[in-house]
Amino acid sequence: DAGVIQSPRHEVTEMGQEVTLRCKPISGHDYLFWYRQTMMRGLELLIYFNNNVPIDDSGMPEDRFSAKMPNASFSTLKIQPSEPRDSAVYFCASSRLRTGGLAQYFGPGTRLLVL
Amino acid sequence: RKEVEQDPGPFNVPEGATVAFNCTYSNSASQSFFWYRQDCRKEPKLLMSVYSSGNEDGRFTAQLNRASQYISLLIRDSKLSDSATYLCVVSPMDSSYKLIFGSGTRLLVRP
Repeated sequence: DAGVIQSPRHEVTEMGQEVTLRCKPISGHDYLFWYRQTMMRGLELLIYFNNNVPIDDSGMPEDRFSAKMPNASFSTLKIQPSEPRDSAVYFCASSRLRTGGLAQYFGPGTRLLVL
Repeated sequence: RKEVEQDPGPFNVPEGATVAFNCTYSNSASQSFFWYRQDCRKEPKLLMSVYSSGNEDGRFTAQLNRASQYISLLIRDSKLSDSATYLCVVSPMDSSYKLIFGSGTRLLVRP
């Protein structure tokens, strides 16, 4: 089975540009999570969806960040305008509720560098 | 206080050694517990869930102590390929399905 798919894998952009990150969750998973990881702050949850509906976006750092999930197989995280401090690895993860808890499966991540 | 705390390490051990990591969590309502492994420049991957009675998967044993609010991971007969960062993860499982990740413990297994 295919795992979580993310694109692009690497993105280098200049400050002020719009950045769009994409994610395809594992088929059949009804939860989707966006994380950001930096050396300083570790792994931070930005937002998560259940059945395509945003449930908790309290981790979204500011209005420059937005996320959508138009259908069960696709989600985007957009940063507009981007800033150097947004440089990080952005992971998408998906899950479905099962006995024992909500283990999440991560995509390979998008390494973002904002110059 | 962080919700999930881990010793960052690194733990530097020879091949074949037994090594143990501990992790403490602050939310007594936490319901689900996991260990994830993250290799350098890779995504976190689920290593194992942690059950109340403790559980074992090959060389890996996980224990949960709810009274003291800590989780442990024991690795026996360490392999070079075990070198990675081990993330302790808890889920409050109240009305949300978030996972709270610790900052990780780095393990280096040397020949």
